[in-house]
Amino acid sequence: EPEVTQTPSHQVTQMGQEVILRCVPISNHLYFYWYRQILGQKVDFLVSFYNNEISEKSEIFDDQFSVERPDGSNFTLKIRSTKLEDSAMYFCASKWRTGDYGYTFGSGTRLTVV
Amino acid sequence: DQQVKQNSPSLSVQEGRISILNCDYTNSMFDYFLWYKKYPAEGPTFLISISSIKDKNEDGRFTVFLNKSAKHLSLHIVPSQPGDSAVYFCAAYQGGKLIFGQGTELSVKP
Repeated sequence: EPEVTQTPSHQVTQMGQEVILRCVPISNHLYFYWYRQILGQKVDFLVSFYNNEISEKSEIFDDQFSVERPDGSNFTLKIRSTKLEDSAMYFCASKWRTGDYGYTFGSGTRLTVV
Repeated sequence: DQQVKQNSPSLSVQEGRISILNCDYTNSMFDYFLWYKKYPAEGPTFLISISSIKDKNEDGRFTVFLNKSAKHLSLHIVPSQPGDSAVYFCAAYQGGKLIFGQGTELSVKP
């Protein structure tokens, strides 16, 4: 079964450093998402991406965050200057078309900011 | 402002019995609801969904019930199995994104 692949599975970074979280969505999917889950809390929407541009972003997705689809397969989330409160699980997700309600999620990247 | 709420953080059930997980929502404009299951160190996986025009959807051991007047949905698992032990997230679909509840951790004991 097709999978969404995320790397790395765990990243530790110093506060103030830049991190890039990488995702390879399912190959024929057109809609891409980033969500995050702070430990013990709900899964929060960050951003949606379609046709090489951001469709929607949440209030969490401030100027420190950016997304990119640099080639036909990768979808990246960059955090420019990490803060302690950015420590969370970051999930990438994708879906094929607008009529699909359920996404396929990757297994996540655990980001720890120290 | 939490639009999707799961008020029970955990639930423990005996193997073979029914598990009932509950979810409440505040926005009557939601038109589609989903349940996701999440194991530790994995991403959420889609389990079952229901359109707001229905009141029940069944898939094997899993049934989702929707009560629009009460803005409440529930997931029934019967019979429960130890492999069902996981965190279950209720989610509502709005404008292309999913809005999740806090999750309920289900533990099914042999």
